[in-house]
Amino acid sequence: AQRVTQPEKLLSVFKGAPVELKCNYSYSGSPELFWYVQYSRQRLQLLLRHISRESIKGFTADLNKGETSFHLKKPFAQEEDSAMYYCALSGGSNYKLTFGKGTLLTVNP
Amino acid sequence: DTAVSQTPKYLVTQMGNDKSIKCEQNLGHDTMYWYKQDSKKFLKIMFSYNNKELIINETVPNRFSPKSPDKAHLNLHINSLELGDSAVYFCASSHRTGEHGYTFGSGTRLTVV
Repeated sequence: AQRVTQPEKLLSVFKGAPVELKCNYSYSGSPELFWYVQYSRQRLQLLLRHISRESIKGFTADLNKGETSFHLKKPFAQEEDSAMYYCALSGGSNYKLTFGKGTLLTVNP
Repeated sequence: DTAVSQTPKYLVTQMGNDKSIKCEQNLGHDTMYWYKQDSKKFLKIMFSYNNKELIINETVPNRFSPKSPDKAHLNLHINSLELGDSAVYFCASSHRTGEHGYTFGSGTRLTVV
């Protein structure tokens, strides 16, 4: 079974502060991990894939297989980063994408 | 050019009615999905079709029936709507292995009164 845990339901930081959104996963095979972002009342958008090791909008995420984590980080948060962030895992023969419960990030001015 | 489009965007209906939500993608993907986002913003997969074949069918009441006339379309029909069906339903598509991630539609906000 595959499971994604985002321990923080809400996270509030001030503009310019570093931010880290935590994600832990449980999966017996070799997972593919993603971060999705959902701005208020909009569609989910792909933010990052672990296989591409890219940085989007200043966000990065590193897969740590030892700790089974894929935390999302940004050194200096901006107000426009306020959104719901979902960590997701794809695995299994049907490549099902399983989402964590999401973390609502609020960046205060 | 909208990649994954859903209609309608909003749907308000009475309990007991039957309704359908349509989804179309123009990305050339071969796999499509329906997800339900509840009031707590939890996202749960409902169904997945690959080349018109059902490959994922999570524990969903059989009042929900997906239909895929071709690989670019995946519709969701709901019979005998209940209050608890109120949610936002997202359609998504991807290549078979999903390694590039899913592309989501803008969602259909269903309200059952």
